[in-house]
Amino acid sequence: AQSVAQPEDQVNVAEGNPLTVKCTYSVSGNPYLFWYVQYPNRGLQFLLKYITGDNLVKGSYGFEAEFNKSQTSFHLKKPSALVSDSALYFCAVRVLSGNTGKLIFGQGTTLQVKP
Amino acid sequence: ETGVTQTPRHLVMGMTNKKSLKCEQHLGHNAMYWYKQSAKKPLELMFVYSLEERVENNSVPSRFSPECPNSSHLFLHLHTLQPEDSALYLCASSQDLDGTTDTQYFGPGTRLTVL
Repeated sequence: AQSVAQPEDQVNVAEGNPLTVKCTYSVSGNPYLFWYVQYPNRGLQFLLKYITGDNLVKGSYGFEAEFNKSQTSFHLKKPSALVSDSALYFCAVRVLSGNTGKLIFGQGTTLQVKP
Repeated sequence: ETGVTQTPRHLVMGMTNKKSLKCEQHLGHNAMYWYKQSAKKPLELMFVYSLEERVENNSVPSRFSPECPNSSHLFLHLHTLQPEDSALYLCASSQDLDGTTDTQYFGPGTRLTVL
């Protein structure tokens, strides 16, 4: 079955430290992978995506993600966390349903950055 | 978030009421989506429209009825809902459904409470 997993419900990190939010996927064919962020009482905001090319993808707000085919992972990273990065983060993979692509989302990881 | 707007932001309704959720995208996109976000569950795709035609219906109960009168507007008509339908309903849009152009952009959501 095609799926995406975020193994951590919550990640805690001190401000200024590097952060990693983990994501692994299971999909047939070449994956299209996405990261979204959701702040309280808001919709999801697109951060970055991987389709092909360089395994290191740079996105909004200083975030980046590394695609690792052998480990089927697409972890989200940031070198120096900010308190304002505290939010709910979703990894997603695009799968084909008939002729239509659709996103399968992970359950989300809450990132808590403490001053 | 101004690219995709949703109204109302909050809605409380009884089980016998009829109400509608509205979504409008100002991005010139051709595809629109409805998602349901419940606590502790992954986002659930409900409906997908492309050029005003429904292309995906994910086994959603008939008490949810979508309508897409044009590529900029999407409605979700609600009738005789159940308390378990209480959730955040998110609308999204994408340029198209092609894999290179179907990055989805989300609205802020409508928080629905069914009494």
